[in-house]
Amino acid sequence: KAGVTQTPRYLIKTRGQQVTLSCSPISGHRSVSWYQQTPGQGLQFLFEYFSETQRNKGNFPGRFSGRQFSNSRSEMNVSTLELGDSALYLCASSLDYAAGEEEQYFGPGTRLTVT
Amino acid sequence: QKEVEQDPGPLSVPEGAIVSLNCTYSNSAFQYFMWYRQYSRKGPELLMYTYSSGNKEDGRFTAQVDKSSKYISLFIRDSQPSDSATYLCAMRNSGYSTLTFGKGTMLLVSP
Repeated sequence: KAGVTQTPRYLIKTRGQQVTLSCSPISGHRSVSWYQQTPGQGLQFLFEYFSETQRNKGNFPGRFSGRQFSNSRSEMNVSTLELGDSALYLCASSLDYAAGEEEQYFGPGTRLTVT
Repeated sequence: QKEVEQDPGPLSVPEGAIVSLNCTYSNSAFQYFMWYRQYSRKGPELLMYTYSSGNKEDGRFTAQVDKSSKYISLFIRDSQPSDSATYLCAMRNSGYSTLTFGKGTMLLVSP
């Protein structure tokens, strides 16, 4: 079974631009979560989608948004990029995170550098 | 006080040593506890998943949870250079909730 895939793997953007990152979950998984990982803050939860609905959102500004499609693939968007948005963005999928002992499986991440 | 505290290391050990990695937490509602391994420039990989207090063993890895002390541990026996990575603890409440991660401990196992 293929794992979680994320595209692109690396991205360089300029301040003020916007960016869209993509995540394809493991086949059959309906829950997709996004995380930001930085050396200073570690892994921080951005949001989680299940069946095209955002179920939970972390403490990030409105510049960070996401969506999920009917095939469970998900995208996240960051508008008006700031230098501090440079990070590894990780996507994780599970069958249904709310269903109990559900494990999350992470993709390799997209490394975003904002200059 | 952060919800989950984890010593960043690095922790350097010789090959074959027993490694002990730990996290403390402050939220008594946490019920599910996980350990992830993350190699450089890769996503985290789930190693161990435990519910509530107790021990769980899987090969060379043993996870321990002491909810009364709000303390979790991961032991690695017969450590190998391939175990060199960052180890992240993570935990969450029962029912629906999000994962809270420690910042990770970097482990270096020298041959």
